[in-house]
Amino acid sequence: EVQVVETGGGLIPPGGSLRLSCAASGFTVSSNHMTWVRQAPGRGLEWVSLLFGGGGTNYADSVRGRFTISRDNSKNTVYLQMNSLRAEDTALYYCARGLSGSYDAFDIWGQGTMVTVSS
Amino acid sequence: QSALTQPPSASGSPGQSVTISCTGTSSDVGGYKYVSWYQQHPGKAPKLMIYEVTKRPSGVPDRFSGSKSGNTASLTVSGLQAEDEADYYCSSYAGSNNLVVFGGGTKLTVL
Repeated sequence: EVQVVETGGGLIPPGGSLRLSCAASGFTVSSNHMTWVRQAPGRGLEWVSLLFGGGGTNYADSVRGRFTISRDNSKNTVYLQMNSLRAEDTALYYCARGLSGSYDAFDIWGQGTMVTVSS
Repeated sequence: QSALTQPPSASGSPGQSVTISCTGTSSDVGGYKYVSWYQQHPGKAPKLMIYEVTKRPSGVPDRFSGSKSGNTASLTVSGLQAEDEADYYCSSYAGSNNLVVFGGGTKLTVL
């Protein structure tokens, strides 16, 4: 079955760090571009970061310089390292697979992992 | 990067058609062929419904269709069914800096 499963969320104080994981099965992360999208409670979707199959990365202005997307091909897993966390980073973080040939079309989504930034 | 503009709500009766708009700028919606639409039921992950303005992924009913004119994209749901009640989000490629931008979402109610 083609799927992604996110883990690593939790309660973290402001200024802290957290690493989210996205384990893929049924496809190879290095052959696809992969993205993180977040959704604050009761709010809409916000794109966070994208990792191209070729290895290039891109970030939303709101997280650039604080978050880093990466992957481990041997584990078929994508990561989101989040540093200097702020209250406004509180959200459900989704990992998704990019549809081949499209920049903004993501066809396989996980169920998300919740990140709460609070003291 | 500002979010794309969607109406907060839309509604229609079963069997009717409803169209949801998504307005951006020439730097996103109007500038590229990359506009997608997602359906999200409460407590569930988003589901891709339309990509590259008009294309439907396998398994999405042909009741769902997309279009674009200038800086505004639209999603039309024909023959409304109860299960179409959900939140709908548009997205667009926005250039090499802020790659992807989403709309604020539209809550579709089937009356």
